[in-house]
Amino acid sequence: AQKVTQAQTEISVVEKEDVTLDCVYETRDTTYYLFWYKQPPSGELVFLIRRNSFDEQNEISGRYSWNFQKSTSSFNFTITASQVVDSAVYFCALSILNDYKLSFGAGTTVTVRA
Amino acid sequence: DVKVTQSSRYLVKRTGEKVFLECVQDMDHENMFWYRQDPGLGLRLIYFSYDVKMKEKGDIPEGYSVSREKKERFSLILESASTNQTSMYLCASSLKPNTEAFFGQGTRLTVV
Repeated sequence: AQKVTQAQTEISVVEKEDVTLDCVYETRDTTYYLFWYKQPPSGELVFLIRRNSFDEQNEISGRYSWNFQKSTSSFNFTITASQVVDSAVYFCALSILNDYKLSFGAGTTVTVRA
Repeated sequence: DVKVTQSSRYLVKRTGEKVFLECVQDMDHENMFWYRQDPGLGLRLIYFSYDVKMKEKGDIPEGYSVSREKKERFSLILESASTNQTSMYLCASSLKPNTEAFFGQGTRLTVV
């Protein structure tokens, strides 16, 4: 069975601070996919990134960056120079090869104060 | 713009009522999902469907059923609503396994 742990329940920062969200996963499969989604107050989950288990390169997209480390089974997400619009719940998720299902973590609520 | 649309944002139902949550996607996706979201538990999969008239149980199917008569529409049914089914329900669709899922805006259901 797959498991995703987001140990941080809530994080509160002041605008322009950096914030890192932790994600630790468990799976016995060698081929799997990791995802991050953002859920703003409107409720709709928005896809941010997908990474497969064979690609350990870090990724940067604007103020967002992701650090994938298989050795520690982690796929952490950093928001640089946070803005109020980054306030949301962020979910990490995992699916194994050819499986339709996504296993989600409990989510981390990020609040960015002006 | 791709879309997953859920029929209601908010619903209040009485215990014992039969409840229908409707979801429509316009992306011609094969796969559709119903998740339930509760604080501290993240999203949990109730049912999914990989083709018309096909369905598979997810992690928490008890008390729920689903219907997929057309490719674009996936309905979640609470046969006899109970207070412990008060929750946020999210519908999603995807093209293939392991690809991104697109989510609806959610239905917040309250059972009184």
